[in-house]
Amino acid sequence: EAGVTQFPSHSVIEKGQTVTLRCDPISGHDNLYWYRRVMGKEIKFLLHFVKESKQDESGMPNNRFLAERTGGTYSTLKVQPAELEDSGVYFCASSQGRGGQSYNEQFFGPGTRLTVL
Amino acid sequence: KNQVEQSPQSLIILEGKNCTLQCNYTVSPFSNLRWYKQDTGRGPVSLTIMTFSENTKSNGRYTATLDADTKQSSLHITASQLSDSASYICVVRRRGGSYIPTFGRGTSLIVHP
Repeated sequence: EAGVTQFPSHSVIEKGQTVTLRCDPISGHDNLYWYRRVMGKEIKFLLHFVKESKQDESGMPNNRFLAERTGGTYSTLKVQPAELEDSGVYFCASSQGRGGQSYNEQFFGPGTRLTVL
Repeated sequence: KNQVEQSPQSLIILEGKNCTLQCNYTVSPFSNLRWYKQDTGRGPVSLTIMTFSENTKSNGRYTATLDADTKQSSLHITASQLSDSASYICVVRRRGGSYIPTFGRGTSLIVHP
């Protein structure tokens, strides 16, 4: 069974450009999460989808970030326009079960390394 | 503020040796704590989950302990192998309210032959 996949694995863009990251969760997982790790810091939560609905987007840094999950399958995270501080590794994770249960194991993708020059 | 602190930041050991990684947290009220292993270029993979009532849990050569009173956890690796070289991340979740996990910065372990 395929795990969580993310595309691209790396992206290098210039400040002011737009980048779209994609995440394909494990088939059947209703919950999809986006996280970000800035260099030298811990992984931090960005937002959580339950199927196609945003359950919690309290971690989104600002309105330059837009996440979508049309049809409740794959998700995209768009950064427009990108700034230098957006550089980092963006992880996607998915899990089964009700999103509010803290015990559900989240399965992580390999991440997308974003570099903004 | 809910925090998770890990130590040491990095560790180098010889193959076959044991090591112990530490995790202190202030997340409250406590629900559970997971230890993840993250290989270079990969996403974190769960090794074990500890709940409030559990003191120790093993997964092969990995043994996690939890002291909920002192809010400390440890991950002990026995007879280390080269493949144990990775980052080990402690993640704590609250009970009730927000289920958003709090991550530690991780301990980078390098096992030398």
